[in-house]
Amino acid sequence: EAQVTQNPRYLITVTGKKLTVTCSQNMNHEYMSWYRQDPGLGLRQIYYSMNVEVTDKGDVPEGYKVSRKEKRNFPLILESPSPNQTSLYFCASSLSAGASYNEQFFGPGTRLTVL
Amino acid sequence: QKEVEQNSGPLSVPEGAIASLNCTYSDRVSQSFFWYRQYSGKSPELIMSIYSNGDKEDGRFTAQLNKASQYVSLLIRDSQPSDSATYLCAVNMNTGFQKLVFGTGTRLLVSP
Repeated sequence: EAQVTQNPRYLITVTGKKLTVTCSQNMNHEYMSWYRQDPGLGLRQIYYSMNVEVTDKGDVPEGYKVSRKEKRNFPLILESPSPNQTSLYFCASSLSAGASYNEQFFGPGTRLTVL
Repeated sequence: QKEVEQNSGPLSVPEGAIASLNCTYSDRVSQSFFWYRQYSGKSPELIMSIYSNGDKEDGRFTAQLNKASQYVSLLIRDSQPSDSATYLCAVNMNTGFQKLVFGTGTRLLVSP
């Protein structure tokens, strides 16, 4: 089954404790992206990747890191989480980075709470 | 001005009615437009995409695009309670590569 998977689905952690949220897709997609969703603010892009070893900042990158060492995986790293990073996070992928017509497929989401 | 604007709702319609959801965008040269449906706590799911001016129909859903007015809409005919969800308008900005900007969504409530 073609899909985007994320782990963990739920996470409660404390301020400053490094964490990684994994994202994997099995569709051989070039483009991958991380979003956070907050009430009243909608989906905002954190980082994106156009292909292996090619990543760039989105609209709200502060406090996050990413890497793309393999085409299928795009982990999101919070080196020192803070309470303002409490949010619902979605990973998404799309077939081609250069085509604006391609649909983005979303993972199931990760609900993160930072105490 | 926000790049993609939607009325947050809720938009309440009775079962069987037509629900009309609207979206405006600021980038005049945007080329592709998407409607996603999102149930509470779930991930967005694509229901329609539209690239050319006019109407595009898929089952009970019709997307309408007017680039001159920078306006895109979604009509849901014969609304069902299962259509109750938040509908996200997404616009691919003209950056030469994928750059989806989302509206904050319109919450639709369909009452039996």
